[in-house]
Amino acid sequence: QSILTQPPSVSGAPGQRVTISCTGSRSNIGAGYEVHWYHQLPGTVPKLLIYDNNNRPSGVPDRFSGSKSGTSASLAITGLQAEDEADYYCQSYDSSLSEYVFGGGTKLTVL
Amino acid sequence: QVQLVQSGAEVKRPESSVKVSCRPSGGTFTNYGFSWVRRAPGQGLEWMGRIIPILGIANYAQKFHGRLTIIADESTNTVYMELSGLRYEDTAVYYCARLQNSGWLYFDYWGEGTLVTVSS
Repeated sequence: QSILTQPPSVSGAPGQRVTISCTGSRSNIGAGYEVHWYHQLPGTVPKLLIYDNNNRPSGVPDRFSGSKSGTSASLAITGLQAEDEADYYCQSYDSSLSEYVFGGGTKLTVL
Repeated sequence: QVQLVQSGAEVKRPESSVKVSCRPSGGTFTNYGFSWVRRAPGQGLEWMGRIIPILGIANYAQKFHGRLTIIADESTNTVYMELSGLRYEDTAVYYCARLQNSGWLYFDYWGEGTLVTVSS
């Protein structure tokens, strides 16, 4: 059972917009800790997609965006492409556990 | 370009130990932190522990307390993760991940992963 809750799967057609939610609590996201997002394409290593809630590292397309409100965060992907098919994870820090925490992961399927 | 070079795949017996290395290149070693994150078959990412060489501290997830040791050898710029008392459910790909150097709160680069298989 992950400390951060994500939907197990989402799907969308090419060109569409999808969002992935990440729900935490007052000891992590709600305590003010930033949320970061990673994706892991099949057979590859995890890659940083969004840091500090809504910032993109160099090289990440602006089709990817993040937001945070209260105890939750969201990742939005617009103009969906076949190459976006991957597992997506949110991550934050939990002050009660003194641990880094990941969501359980969301599998994105491009129809 | 930053790269985290990890040691190769391991096959271990239950109750034995495994030691995996991670050598960062292309960046200053001591200004960053390094974590170990694993992904078991059919599961998601799981944080195990971290070390911040400049602070000389290592922290571990409660789940691995007593079984996990992370050390940093600054003379060789290498980070090591040792997991003891291996169980079948420790079979996973183990990733070394660099913690960015402004607050050490997220992982900006990842190693290629080391597959550890626990089998009798």
